[in-house]
Amino acid sequence: DAGVIQSPRHEVTEMGQEVTLRCKPISGHDYLFWYRQTMMRGLELLIYFNNNVPIDDSGMPEDRFSAKMPNASFSTLKIQPSEPRDSAVYFCASSPGQGVYEQYFGPGTRLTVT
Amino acid sequence: EDQVTQSPEALRLQEGESSSLNCSYTVSGLRGLFWYRQDPGKGPEFLFTLYSAGEEKEKERLKATLTKKESFLHITAPKPEDSATYLCAVLRAAGNKLTFGGGTRVLVKP
Repeated sequence: DAGVIQSPRHEVTEMGQEVTLRCKPISGHDYLFWYRQTMMRGLELLIYFNNNVPIDDSGMPEDRFSAKMPNASFSTLKIQPSEPRDSAVYFCASSPGQGVYEQYFGPGTRLTVT
Repeated sequence: EDQVTQSPEALRLQEGESSSLNCSYTVSGLRGLFWYRQDPGKGPEFLFTLYSAGEEKEKERLKATLTKKESFLHITAPKPEDSATYLCAVLRAAGNKLTFGGGTRVLVKP
C-alpha cells in the first residue's frame, strides 16, 4: 500500500487567500484524522471522520476552517480566508477501526501564510 | 481533560549509551497508549501500542513499558539512526481521539 497521501507537500499563500489541503487515506481504513503541528502547540487534532461522517470537530480553531470527506478515498481541509497564524504543518492520518486504533500518518503539508 | 507530559524535552546520547524516555499521562479511562517516531520533515511513524499496566513491547533497540500513570521508552545501545523525536499519545475509553505529548528529541552522536 502507498500509505496516506497528502497534497500539496508545500503551500505558500498570501493572507486572505483560500487554501485547500488534500488527503487520500489508506484503502480500507474507516477513520480519517486531520492534525496541525506547530512548535508552540505540538500535534493537535482538528477533526476526525468515521466512514466519511465527521465525528468530532471540536479541535477546529474557528469557522475559517472546514473539512469534508465526500468518499472513502478522499478528504479536504479548507481554510478561508487564511491568516499568518495558520502557518503550520498539517497532517492527515488514517486508522483501520474495528478494534485497531493505531493511526498512520501522511507526510504532511507545510503551509506558510504571508 | 486528558494530559500527556513527556520528559526530557531533549536528550543527547553517545552511540551505545542506553537511556529512557518518560511519558506521564492522566486520562479518563485509558484504552491505549501509543509511541511514535518522527523524523524531521516527515509524519509520525507508528511504533507501539500498549493496552494495560505491566505490558511491554519491543522492536529492535526500543522497548516500551506501561504503568497506571506513565510509560517508558527504553533505548538500548542506540545508534545514530535512532535520532528522532519520539511522541507518545493516549486514547481514552470513549471516542477515537489521540492526545499527544510534546515529544522528546533524541540525538545520538557517533
